[in-house]
Amino acid sequence: NAGVTQTPKFQVLKTGQSMTLQCAQDMNHEYMSWYRQDPGMGLRLIHYSVGAGITDQGEVPNGYNVSRSTTEDFPLRLLSAAPSQTSVYFCASSYLLAGYSGANVLTFGAGSRLTVL
Amino acid sequence: QQQVKQSPQSLIVQKGGISIINCAYENTAFDYFPWYQQFPGKGPALLIAIRPDVSEKKEGRFTISFNKSAKQFSLHIMDSQPGDSATYFCAASLWGNEKLTFGTGTRLTIIP
Repeated sequence: NAGVTQTPKFQVLKTGQSMTLQCAQDMNHEYMSWYRQDPGMGLRLIHYSVGAGITDQGEVPNGYNVSRSTTEDFPLRLLSAAPSQTSVYFCASSYLLAGYSGANVLTFGAGSRLTVL
Repeated sequence: QQQVKQSPQSLIVQKGGISIINCAYENTAFDYFPWYQQFPGKGPALLIAIRPDVSEKKEGRFTISFNKSAKQFSLHIMDSQPGDSATYFCAASLWGNEKLTFGTGTRLTIIP
């Protein structure tokens, strides 16, 4: 079972370039999300999705775009990279609780380290 | 606006000692409090979690203590081992909601 797979693991960009971080899960999870991890800031939610065709903004969405065309994939797009977007990005997924009783257990990918020069 | 505050930022404990990490939350509607453990180069993984109907939950050497009136909860690692060296994140959410709000993380180092 692969779980959550993120690619690439490392990427260096120049300011103004665009790129897409890929995220795929094979657990049939409805809920998928992107976090960024920065020193002293913890994990901050960028965007999330509760199913194919449905996305919403998290805490720090500016400069990022997402789409969800399939249950398995949830790519994160950087439209015009800035040095402030240098970070480690994590994709995470879980079953959809939809307000029913249940504990959210997020499964994280191994992360993508992005450096913007 | 930080809804979950975590301290300390880093912690060094001798092998066999007790590691204690503290978190405080602001949103009184939160009713699910998990802890995630992250090893270098890996993504975080759920370690242990608690709900407000109990004041303590223990799983092996790991214990969560919860104080609802103070809006605080803490992770205690008994008999700390070098293999416990990792970054620990507390988090909070509404029960039945997928969105987690994370603390800032604590880098724990266990020295021999």
